Amino acid sequence: TQLLEQSPQFLSIQEGENLTVYCNSSSVFSSLQWYRQEPGEGPVLLVTVVTGGEVKKLKRLTFQFGDARKDSSLHITAAQPGDTGLYLCAGPFLDSNYQLIWGAGTKLIIKP
Amino acid sequence: GAVVSQHPSRVICKSGTSVKIECRSLDFQATTMFWYRQFPKQSLMLMATSNEGSKATYEQGVEKDKFLINHASLTLSTLTVTSAHPEDSSFYICSAPQYGSSYEQYFGPGTRLTVT
Repeated sequence: TQLLEQSPQFLSIQEGENLTVYCNSSSVFSSLQWYRQEPGEGPVLLVTVVTGGEVKKLKRLTFQFGDARKDSSLHITAAQPGDTGLYLCAGPFLDSNYQLIWGAGTKLIIKP
Repeated sequence: GAVVSQHPSRVICKSGTSVKIECRSLDFQATTMFWYRQFPKQSLMLMATSNEGSKATYEQGVEKDKFLINHASLTLSTLTVTSAHPEDSSFYICSAPQYGSSYEQYFGPGTRLTVT
């Protein structure tokens, strides 16, 4: 069974601090995606990582795909209140019709 | 990026009535769309996969007679919550994959359903 375990589930830090969110599995994924969702809105795709060991940067956000393609991390440098939201990782089911498996999400609060 | 719209954004209905939620892909065609339900501060729970021109595929535990899905065209899927009850109150979100994009999904803004 493919599962994505996301940690931590909740994180509240001060503005300017750094943080890392993890998305782990015992299964290999062809790709992993990271989404951010704000209250009352749908998730918005941040990035897709496809190649083992790949690192992608989106301003202060750094995404990494594990060498074995079983895990991914999201690192935020100098967090700002605008980074507050629910961060979700997701990966495709094997042999699926574009269906995704979802992590439980990380609720991030950045205090000014 | 691809745009998915959802209507209405908020709806309040009385117990026993039915509510229809529309999901449209605005600038691309979607033979498949997904319907999710989300409880406060939790991740997405897939309810069903909507397939254009054929029956929807429901996840285990989701009542197909209660949550009717119709995918009438390549840009429109509808979810009808029939005989709604207060426990159906939730945030419903649809998404559509843009083919050839590593399974990336584009989400509608969601519909907040409140059943009184």
